[in-house]
This record gives sequence, structure tokens and C-alpha cells, in this order.
Amino acid sequence: SSELTQDPAVSVALGQTVRITCQGDSLRRYFASWYQQRPGQAPVLVIHGKNNRPSGIPDRFSGSSSGNTASLTIAGAQAEDEADYYCTSRDTSGLHLVFGGGTKLTVL
Amino acid sequence: EVQLVESGGGLVQPGGSLRLSCAASGFTFSSYEINWVRQAPGRGLEWVSYISRSGTTVYYAESVKGRFTLSRDNARNSLSLQMNSLRVEDTAVYYCARVLGSSTWYPFDHWGQGTLVTVSS
Repeated sequence: SSELTQDPAVSVALGQTVRITCQGDSLRRYFASWYQQRPGQAPVLVIHGKNNRPSGIPDRFSGSSSGNTASLTIAGAQAEDEADYYCTSRDTSGLHLVFGGGTKLTVL
Repeated sequence: EVQLVESGGGLVQPGGSLRLSCAASGFTFSSYEINWVRQAPGRGLEWVSYISRSGTTVYYAESVKGRFTLSRDNARNSLSLQMNSLRVEDTAVYYCARVLGSSTWYPFDHWGQGTLVTVSS
């Protein structure tokens, strides 16, 4: 079982906004980071820290956090955003890293 | 260009051993922390191990603690993950991933392409 909980699947209409959430007690203390993974590819960092996008990540991706929940928002989802998204953070002990179970995003 | 290239995966019987390598290029290897992350077929990502810049601090997931050993050779720009007493549930693609330079432990700003480890009789 994972200490970070994500919805297994989310769908969004092309061009609409979607929020993917990650819940866990450790998020009250540690920032989450978010990764996009397309089929057959290695994960790619899309958001880290408070709301930081690595170079090359479109500005439609943003992050936020409140209490025990971190969120990844995609404003104006594109077909190429269809992928699995994973959050990660330290666990409640601070001694290990944990990943959420992942959210499969479908763009309709 | 930053590159991380894993190697050493393959088929091994339960109880056997395997040594994975990660060769780094395109950056000052000794200045970056590195992690290993694995992904079982059709499953999510699982953190495996972390190593500090100097190699003096190493952490492991409980699922591999006591069986896996992570080390690095900064002179050769490489990492080694020695995996012993392998179990069927260790079957996965193993990725090495670099920690963002300004951060500690995570996030991972560059990943290798992964190497597949299959544990089966």
C-alpha cells in the first residue's frame, strides 16, 4: 500500500481543465513532485516544490498544495497530455520516498 | 546533454543475484544525488534506493533493505546496484534518476531509459 493516494483514473475533454490530486499525511510537511509517464517511456518531471516547472514543461501545468493534499492542474488539456501521472514525496517518517499509485489521464 | 544509461538487467532465478550499473555523462556526476526507482510490469513507480553525492549516505526501501546494496564511483561517473536474494516480486524495469541539483533526495530531473530485471524460474 502507498502512503500517497491518487485516483486511479481521470478523464478530461480536450481543452478543458483537469485537477489530479495526491493525498497523504506527509504532504503536510513535505512538498510533492509530479511526473508524467507516457507508455513505454521513462517518467518526466513536470512540477516540483511549491509550483516549479522544469524547462520545457508547458505553462498549462501547475501545482498547488493544501493540508494533506497536493494537486496537479492542467489548464487546457491537450491530446499529448494523455499519460500516467505520479506524485512523490517523503513518507511520514521522513526516511523513505514514496510514490502515489498513479493516475491515468484520458483526454477525450 | 545529461545522460543516464542503465545496464545489467536480464533473467535470473529466484534467490539469484544481479548487478545493475548506471553510467552518467553530460554533467558533474559527483555534484548530484542519485536514486533508483523501479516499475513492475503494468504497475506504478516504486522508490528503491538513494545515494548521496559522496556515497557515504545510502537509504533503501524496506522491500529491498538487506538484499540490495547501492554504491557509486565518482571517478568513473557510475553507480552500481548489487541485488542479492532476488524474488519474483523484484521483477521490474529499474531506472536510475538524478536529483535536481538544488534539492536533497528528490525531485528527479533526469531519468535513464531503464533496464528490465526478470526474476523467474
